[in-house]
Amino acid sequence: AQSVTQLDSHVSVSEGTPVLLRCNYSSSYSPSLFWYVQHPNKGLQLLLKYTSAATLVKGINGFEAEFKKSETSFHLTKPSAHMSDAAEYFCVATSGTYKYIFGTGTRLKVLA
Amino acid sequence: NAGVMQNPRHLVRRRGQEARLRCSPMKGHSHVYWYRQLPEEGLKFMVYLQKENIIDESGMPKERFSAEFPKEGPSILRIQQVVRGDSAAYFCASSPPGWGTYEQYFGPGTRLTVT
Repeated sequence: AQSVTQLDSHVSVSEGTPVLLRCNYSSSYSPSLFWYVQHPNKGLQLLLKYTSAATLVKGINGFEAEFKKSETSFHLTKPSAHMSDAAEYFCVATSGTYKYIFGTGTRLKVLA
Repeated sequence: NAGVMQNPRHLVRRRGQEARLRCSPMKGHSHVYWYRQLPEEGLKFMVYLQKENIIDESGMPKERFSAEFPKEGPSILRIQQVVRGDSAAYFCASSPPGWGTYEQYFGPGTRLTVT
């Protein structure tokens, strides 16, 4: 069965330092992969998506992610954290269907 | 273009009452999905609907939960005889018709509290 693992439930970084949020997936098929961000009491906003084109995907707000098939990973990075990046981040996979499989989320804290 | 709309944003129900959650998809979208987010967990798929059709309800609890997406009006997720364990955030998402793109657009969610 398909699954998504977000290895860190909480990540803290200082403002201006790099962000790394880790995600591994398991899938029998070539997946589509997404990262969503959820600010408190808000809906989910799509940051970026991978759908079997370029393995390095650029998203909004300076985020990017790299699809590594050999490692079954899709880690989210940003060179320099901003206070407004503090939120919960979800890695999502789907194997060519509508059914999204969510990771359990990583709560990012940005310290001043 | 307005995004996915959900109402109410917050809903409080006593045990045994009914909860009705509404979702209006984005303009032009004909596919609706409902997800549930329990505290400290990721979202879990519940049901996928198209206009007047339930396509996949494999994630719905077998009892007390139902969903519809009528020809006119919003999609409704209905929970009968609510229990404390139903307290969660319920998110609706929509996508345009056709296949080939699986990007779903999410609403702000309805936070249900059962007292």
